[in-house]
Amino acid sequence: DTGVSQDPRHKITKRGQNVTFRCDPISEHNRLYWYRQTLGQGPEFLTYFQNEAQLEKSRLLSDRFSAERPKGSFSTLEIQRTEQGDSAMYLCASSSPGLAGGGYEQYFGPGTRLTVT
Amino acid sequence: AQSVTQLDSQVPVFEEAPVELRCNYSSSVSVYLFWYVQYPNQGLQLLLKYLSGSTLVESINGFEAEFNKSQTSFHLRKPSVHISDTAEYFCAVILSGGSYIPTFGRGTSLIVHP
Repeated sequence: DTGVSQDPRHKITKRGQNVTFRCDPISEHNRLYWYRQTLGQGPEFLTYFQNEAQLEKSRLLSDRFSAERPKGSFSTLEIQRTEQGDSAMYLCASSSPGLAGGGYEQYFGPGTRLTVT
Repeated sequence: AQSVTQLDSQVPVFEEAPVELRCNYSSSVSVYLFWYVQYPNQGLQLLLKYLSGSTLVESINGFEAEFNKSQTSFHLRKPSVHISDTAEYFCAVILSGGSYIPTFGRGTSLIVHP
């Protein structure tokens, strides 16, 4: 198992452009989470999937944000019409609550750092 | 809703000295507690967790944390730190029986000086 991977690691874009990030979770994990992290802060929850179903979205996830997990495996996070305030690290994590009586801890990818100029 | 407070944004310490990073949470129901570590330009890694049982939990690299229900705390300690322990440390809480979405504290930057 190679862990959680994210692509790209860095993205620089101009304000108003659309960007898409990809996350590949640990294969046997049924849950996938997206977080945003800004400097000096902990991860802030954006949304999560159980298999292919998107079960919860944070109020931080404006209409410009959309996430998909079409086959219950990898996920994409798209930001449309980017704004400078979207500049942050976007983290993906996976877990499998209830697995072997535990599974609540999350396994994080390295993150995608977005810079909007 | 639960919340997590890490009062110290930065903790400087000399190598081989002991350290304690504080974490307090608020919740009206039972919780699961976690400490994660983040090195520069990397994602978070699980350091240790409390789910049930013994209130003192340990990691493989010498850290330990104690769940104190009456004080709603889960402080992280290490008796002797190394330069390589320099990193950002995040405390997180999950409500048991809920949606299992963790709430993270804002983090404590541990800076170990030679």
